[in-house]
Amino acid sequence: DTAVSQTPKYLVTQMGNDKSIKCEQNLGHDTMYWYKQDSKKFLKIMFSYNNKELIINETVPNRFSPKSPDKAHLNLHINSLELGDSAVYFCASSHESSGVWDTEAFFGQGTRLTVV
Amino acid sequence: DAKTTQPPSMDCAEGRAANLPCNHSTISGNEYVYWYRQIHSQGPQYIIHGLKNNETNEMASLIITEDRKSSTLILPHATLRDTAVYYCIVRVGNAGNMLTFGGGTRLMVKP
Repeated sequence: DTAVSQTPKYLVTQMGNDKSIKCEQNLGHDTMYWYKQDSKKFLKIMFSYNNKELIINETVPNRFSPKSPDKAHLNLHINSLELGDSAVYFCASSHESSGVWDTEAFFGQGTRLTVV
Repeated sequence: DAKTTQPPSMDCAEGRAANLPCNHSTISGNEYVYWYRQIHSQGPQYIIHGLKNNETNEMASLIITEDRKSSTLILPHATLRDTAVYYCIVRVGNAGNMLTFGGGTRLMVKP
């Protein structure tokens, strides 16, 4: 079974549309993340979320919003898509207990978003 | 922003040890050193992490200098499948602290 799975793997859409990327983890982790990897291959954190706290990278436009229906899912919603949103988006999860990060982060295989 | 400095690229002969350096001269006492790698078109993969002592697992060894200002990731017998971008990251081991990736080192293992 895939530990962290994202759908879809590829997404092509027009400017101005609203889209969602889904992420699910079956590891029992309590913290999930979204990362963006642009064309220059830099991986940038967008959000960190557990059942207590959402931490947002302040550089992320408010058109991006994470939604977590339960601990195993963290979906990424993007409104009014722009050309510059084209990138690969990675979901990840880890377990943080008692304030200590005691496991490594597991990453999904990525969603390649192309805005045309 | 990333707090580490790595060479942008390195080559290694298949079967030889690959030694990937990382400078983290501003590391704090409570920050761990983590290594991840990203094979082309895949998500990043955890390799190893450490605080002060050298660490070894089935994938690699991590050597941290006594002053903790630099470290070296060692792949003892590199294979073609180890060709990837390797990221060295420093991070406080507390909840909510996110991994911040730098540019990494692109390791090319050649036959």
